[in-house]
Amino acid sequence: GAGVSQSPSNKVTEKGKDVELRCDPISGHTALYWYRQSLGQGLEFLIYFQGNSAPDKSGLPSDRFSAERTGGSVSTLTIQRTQQEDSAVYLCASSLAYSPLHFGNGTRLTVT
Amino acid sequence: AQTVTQSQPEMSVQEAETVTLSCTYDTSESDYYLFWYKQPPSRQMILVIRQEAYKQQNATENRFSVNFQKAAKSFSLKISDSQLGDAAMYFCAYISNFGNEKLTFGTGTRLTIIP
Repeated sequence: GAGVSQSPSNKVTEKGKDVELRCDPISGHTALYWYRQSLGQGLEFLIYFQGNSAPDKSGLPSDRFSAERTGGSVSTLTIQRTQQEDSAVYLCASSLAYSPLHFGNGTRLTVT
Repeated sequence: AQTVTQSQPEMSVQEAETVTLSCTYDTSESDYYLFWYKQPPSRQMILVIRQEAYKQQNATENRFSVNFQKAAKSFSLKISDSQLGDAAMYFCAYISNFGNEKLTFGTGTRLTIIP
């Protein structure tokens, strides 16, 4: 497809379990972002990948959160030992340098 | 670090009227880009309009236009002839044209259209 693809679209997990969220950016896009958005709220920056540079992890809320981007393409956001406060929509976006972001439809995570 | 401020958490406008959403930003850079994004209830983020800082002319896209005041570091969005489909969260965003700076978003303004 031509857009940013995220999977799964919805994920329900039990407290304490680990989850992996996947993002397939637009081919050729060097920049990739992860954001978290609670219901009706703004975008909380999590992590930013740009080319081969070291990622900007300054937004990760705790050491339970990690992300990687393999081969400069697909990215996986991992949340370990999930907590109820992790429930949110997780948005991925990609872009060429200094160009507008293209967003995926997000993954809605519910921790029960 | 750059910051983007949207001082209006919520706004409402009568259908067919005009509304202006405000955005200010703080930067020491001279070359950068500014964006407005729209997020309807479907939660898909949609680019509304883009402005390059080196351009003095305000960007316009159909019913959407901006008032870019570089010296004041202000970037407001005007929506003319408001339509029900304009109801959404609107986010202002900034990115420097240097290095690997990340895009910075404001906290958003929720726009309600009154029929």
